[in-house]
Amino acid sequence: EAGVTQFPSHSVIEKGQTVTLRCDPISGHDNLYWYRRVMGKEIKFLLHFVKESKQDESGMPNNRFLAERTGGTYSTLKVQPAELEDSGVYFCASSQTGNSPLHFGNGTRLTVT
Amino acid sequence: AQSVAQPEDQVNVAEGNPLTVKCTYSVSGNPYLFWYVQYPNRGLQFLLKYITGDNLVKGSYGFEAEFNKSQTSFHLKKPSALVSDSALYFCAAPRGGYNKLIFGAGTRLAVHP
Repeated sequence: EAGVTQFPSHSVIEKGQTVTLRCDPISGHDNLYWYRRVMGKEIKFLLHFVKESKQDESGMPNNRFLAERTGGTYSTLKVQPAELEDSGVYFCASSQTGNSPLHFGNGTRLTVT
Repeated sequence: AQSVAQPEDQVNVAEGNPLTVKCTYSVSGNPYLFWYVQYPNRGLQFLLKYITGDNLVKGSYGFEAEFNKSQTSFHLKKPSALVSDSALYFCAAPRGGYNKLIFGAGTRLAVHP
Protein backbone atom coordinates (compact mmCIF):
# COMPACT_ATOMS: atom_id res chain seq x y z
CA GLU A 1 0.00 0.00 0.00
CA ALA A 2 1.13 3.55 -0.63
CA GLY A 3 2.23 5.35 2.50
CA VAL A 4 1.37 8.79 3.74
CA THR A 5 2.64 11.35 1.27
CA GLN A 6 3.37 14.98 1.94
CA PHE A 7 3.99 17.80 -0.47
CA PRO A 8 6.19 19.73 -0.80
CA SER A 9 9.15 18.10 0.88
CA HIS A 10 10.78 21.48 1.39
CA SER A 11 9.47 25.02 1.29
CA VAL A 12 11.38 28.25 1.76
CA ILE A 13 9.27 31.38 2.05
CA GLU A 14 9.68 34.89 3.33
CA LYS A 15 8.08 36.19 6.47
CA GLY A 16 4.58 37.37 5.74
CA GLN A 17 3.98 35.03 2.82
CA THR A 18 1.50 32.19 2.72
CA VAL A 19 2.31 28.51 2.44
CA THR A 20 0.05 25.52 2.03
CA LEU A 21 1.19 22.05 2.96
CA ARG A 22 -0.60 18.99 1.68
CA CYS A 23 -0.98 15.52 3.11
CA ASP A 24 -2.42 12.44 1.43
CA PRO A 25 -3.12 9.77 4.05
CA ILE A 26 -3.15 6.07 3.44
CA SER A 27 -6.31 5.14 1.58
CA GLY A 28 -9.06 4.14 3.97
CA HIS A 29 -7.52 5.83 7.00
CA ASP A 30 -10.21 8.00 8.54
CA ASN A 31 -7.89 9.48 11.14
CA LEU A 32 -5.42 12.13 10.07
CA TYR A 33 -3.05 14.04 12.33
CA TRP A 34 -0.70 16.97 11.95
CA TYR A 35 2.41 17.28 14.09
CA ARG A 36 5.37 19.61 13.87
CA ARG A 37 8.89 19.74 15.15
CA VAL A 38 10.25 23.21 15.57
CA MET A 39 14.04 23.25 15.38
CA GLY A 40 15.63 21.67 18.41
CA LYS A 41 12.37 21.04 20.20
CA GLU A 42 9.99 18.16 20.71
CA ILE A 43 7.53 16.94 18.14
CA LYS A 44 4.19 18.46 19.05
CA PHE A 45 0.62 17.57 18.18
CA LEU A 46 -1.28 20.14 16.15
CA LEU A 47 -4.63 18.59 15.31
CA HIS A 48 -6.64 15.49 14.53
CA PHE A 49 -9.26 14.88 11.86
CA VAL A 50 -11.74 12.06 11.78
CA LYS A 51 -12.85 11.98 8.18
CA GLU A 52 -13.60 15.62 7.38
CA SER A 53 -14.28 16.70 10.94
CA LYS A 54 -11.80 18.30 13.28
CA GLN A 55 -11.75 16.05 16.32
CA ASP A 56 -9.16 17.98 18.25
CA GLU A 57 -7.35 21.14 17.25
CA SER A 58 -6.01 22.02 20.65
CA GLY A 59 -2.42 22.05 19.45
CA MET A 60 -2.83 24.65 16.75
CA PRO A 61 -0.54 27.48 17.80
CA ASN A 62 -2.65 30.44 16.66
CA ASN A 63 -5.14 31.61 14.08
CA ARG A 64 -2.50 31.97 11.41
CA PHE A 65 -2.79 28.20 10.97
CA LEU A 66 -5.75 26.71 9.13
CA ALA A 67 -6.22 23.02 8.47
CA GLU A 68 -8.81 21.50 6.21
CA ARG A 69 -9.79 18.06 5.08
CA THR A 70 -12.56 18.56 2.58
CA GLY A 71 -14.22 15.30 1.58
CA GLY A 72 -12.32 13.39 4.23
CA THR A 73 -9.43 12.49 1.94
CA TYR A 74 -6.33 14.67 1.70
CA SER A 75 -5.65 17.49 4.11
CA THR A 76 -4.05 20.89 3.78
CA LEU A 77 -2.38 23.04 6.40
CA LYS A 78 -2.13 26.69 5.52
CA VAL A 79 0.07 29.18 7.33
CA GLN A 80 -0.90 32.78 6.66
CA PRO A 81 1.04 34.96 7.21
CA ALA A 82 4.11 32.93 8.03
CA GLU A 83 6.41 34.04 10.83
CA LEU A 84 10.02 33.10 11.53
CA GLU A 85 9.04 30.88 14.45
CA ASP A 86 6.93 28.72 12.14
CA SER A 87 10.07 27.18 10.68
CA GLY A 88 10.34 23.48 11.35
CA VAL A 89 9.27 20.10 10.03
CA TYR A 90 5.56 19.46 9.67
CA PHE A 91 4.55 15.83 9.83
CA CYS A 92 1.29 14.31 8.78
CA ALA A 93 0.21 10.91 10.04
CA SER A 94 -2.78 8.69 9.53
CA SER A 95 -4.29 5.68 11.23
CA GLN A 96 -7.07 3.30 10.35
CA THR A 97 -8.76 3.72 13.69
CA GLY A 98 -8.19 6.01 16.61
CA ASN A 99 -6.42 3.18 18.42
CA SER A 100 -4.15 1.82 15.71
CA PRO A 101 -0.52 2.85 15.19
CA LEU A 102 0.29 6.04 13.35
CA HIS A 103 1.82 5.99 9.88
CA PHE A 104 3.85 9.13 9.30
CA GLY A 105 4.72 10.91 6.12
CA ASN A 106 8.27 12.09 5.43
CA GLY A 107 7.40 15.58 6.53
CA THR A 108 7.59 19.03 4.99
CA ARG A 109 10.55 21.13 6.04
CA LEU A 110 9.38 24.73 6.20
CA THR A 111 11.90 27.53 6.38
CA VAL A 112 10.66 31.08 6.91
CA THR A 113 13.29 33.74 6.24
CA ALA B 1 1.45 17.11 33.67
CA GLN B 2 2.14 14.09 31.52
CA SER B 3 5.59 13.91 30.01
CA VAL B 4 8.23 11.63 28.62
CA ALA B 5 11.92 12.28 28.83
CA GLN B 6 14.88 10.99 26.92
CA PRO B 7 17.93 11.89 28.98
CA GLU B 8 20.51 11.25 26.26
CA ASP B 9 20.84 13.36 23.13
CA GLN B 10 23.09 10.78 21.53
CA VAL B 11 24.09 7.20 22.11
CA ASN B 12 27.13 5.69 20.47
CA VAL B 13 27.62 1.94 20.23
CA ALA B 14 29.82 -0.41 18.27
CA GLU B 15 28.23 -2.77 15.80
CA GLY B 16 27.45 -6.10 17.40
CA ASN B 17 27.23 -4.67 20.92
CA PRO B 18 23.97 -4.38 22.82
CA LEU B 19 22.27 -1.01 22.77
CA THR B 20 19.94 0.81 25.14
CA VAL B 21 18.06 4.02 24.48
CA LYS B 22 16.53 5.42 27.63
CA CYS B 23 13.07 6.82 28.26
CA THR B 24 11.36 7.80 31.49
CA TYR B 25 7.77 8.82 31.83
CA SER B 26 5.44 10.72 34.05
CA VAL B 27 1.85 9.88 33.20
CA SER B 28 -1.27 9.43 35.22
CA GLY B 29 -3.07 6.10 35.39
CA ASN B 30 -1.89 3.09 33.44
CA PRO B 31 0.63 4.29 30.90
CA TYR B 32 0.55 3.55 27.22
CA LEU B 33 4.06 3.99 25.83
CA PHE B 34 5.46 3.93 22.33
CA TRP B 35 8.77 3.96 20.51
CA TYR B 36 9.13 5.45 17.05
CA VAL B 37 12.22 5.62 14.84
CA GLN B 38 13.10 8.20 12.22
CA TYR B 39 15.64 7.31 9.56
CA PRO B 40 17.32 10.16 7.66
CA ASN B 41 14.91 12.11 5.43
CA ARG B 42 12.06 9.83 6.36
CA GLY B 43 9.00 10.02 8.54
CA LEU B 44 8.63 8.37 11.91
CA GLN B 45 8.02 4.65 11.93
CA PHE B 46 6.26 2.77 14.71
CA LEU B 47 8.56 0.31 16.49
CA LEU B 48 6.59 -1.03 19.43
CA LYS B 49 4.12 -0.19 22.15
CA TYR B 50 3.32 -1.09 25.73
CA ILE B 51 -0.33 -1.18 26.67
CA THR B 52 -0.62 -3.76 29.41
CA GLY B 53 0.60 -7.24 30.25
CA ASP B 54 4.14 -8.52 29.80
CA ASN B 55 6.71 -5.91 30.78
CA LEU B 56 9.00 -6.95 27.92
CA VAL B 57 7.60 -5.84 24.61
CA LYS B 58 9.01 -7.04 21.31
CA GLY B 59 8.86 -4.88 18.24
CA SER B 60 10.15 -4.41 14.72
CA TYR B 61 13.74 -4.90 13.52
CA GLY B 62 14.73 -6.96 16.58
CA PHE B 63 14.05 -4.17 19.06
CA GLU B 64 12.42 -4.69 22.42
CA ALA B 65 11.54 -2.45 25.32
CA GLU B 66 11.21 -3.09 29.00
CA PHE B 67 8.48 -1.41 31.00
CA ASN B 68 9.54 -0.78 34.58
CA LYS B 69 6.80 0.69 36.73
CA SER B 70 8.92 1.25 39.84
CA GLN B 71 11.51 3.19 37.88
CA THR B 72 8.93 4.78 35.53
CA SER B 73 11.08 3.78 32.60
CA PHE B 74 10.56 2.27 29.18
CA HIS B 75 14.03 1.74 27.76
CA LEU B 76 14.51 0.51 24.21
CA LYS B 77 16.98 -2.31 23.74
CA LYS B 78 18.53 -4.51 21.13
CA PRO B 79 20.96 -7.36 21.84
CA SER B 80 23.22 -6.74 18.86
CA ALA B 81 23.34 -3.37 17.11
CA LEU B 82 23.61 -2.94 13.35
CA VAL B 83 25.02 0.05 11.51
CA SER B 84 21.63 0.32 9.82
CA ASP B 85 20.04 0.97 13.24
CA SER B 86 21.62 4.42 13.21
CA ALA B 87 18.68 6.81 13.39
CA LEU B 88 16.70 9.14 15.65
CA TYR B 89 14.57 7.38 18.25
CA PHE B 90 11.54 8.89 19.97
CA CYS B 91 9.68 7.73 23.02
CA ALA B 92 6.04 8.83 23.20
CA ALA B 93 2.90 8.59 25.29
CA PRO B 94 -0.70 9.59 24.65
CA ARG B 95 -2.17 12.65 26.25
CA GLY B 96 -5.89 13.04 25.85
CA GLY B 97 -6.20 10.53 23.02
CA TYR B 98 -4.48 7.34 21.89
CA ASN B 99 -2.69 8.97 18.98
CA LYS B 100 -2.49 12.46 20.46
CA LEU B 101 1.09 11.85 21.46
CA ILE B 102 3.62 13.70 23.51
CA PHE B 103 7.13 12.93 22.40
CA GLY B 104 10.48 12.94 24.06
CA ALA B 105 13.17 15.14 22.56
CA GLY B 106 14.65 12.22 20.67
CA THR B 107 17.90 10.30 20.97
CA ARG B 108 20.29 9.97 18.08
CA LEU B 109 21.73 6.48 17.91
CA ALA B 110 25.02 6.09 16.09
CA VAL B 111 26.25 2.56 15.49
CA HIS B 112 29.88 2.41 14.40
CA PRO B 113 31.35 -0.43 12.32
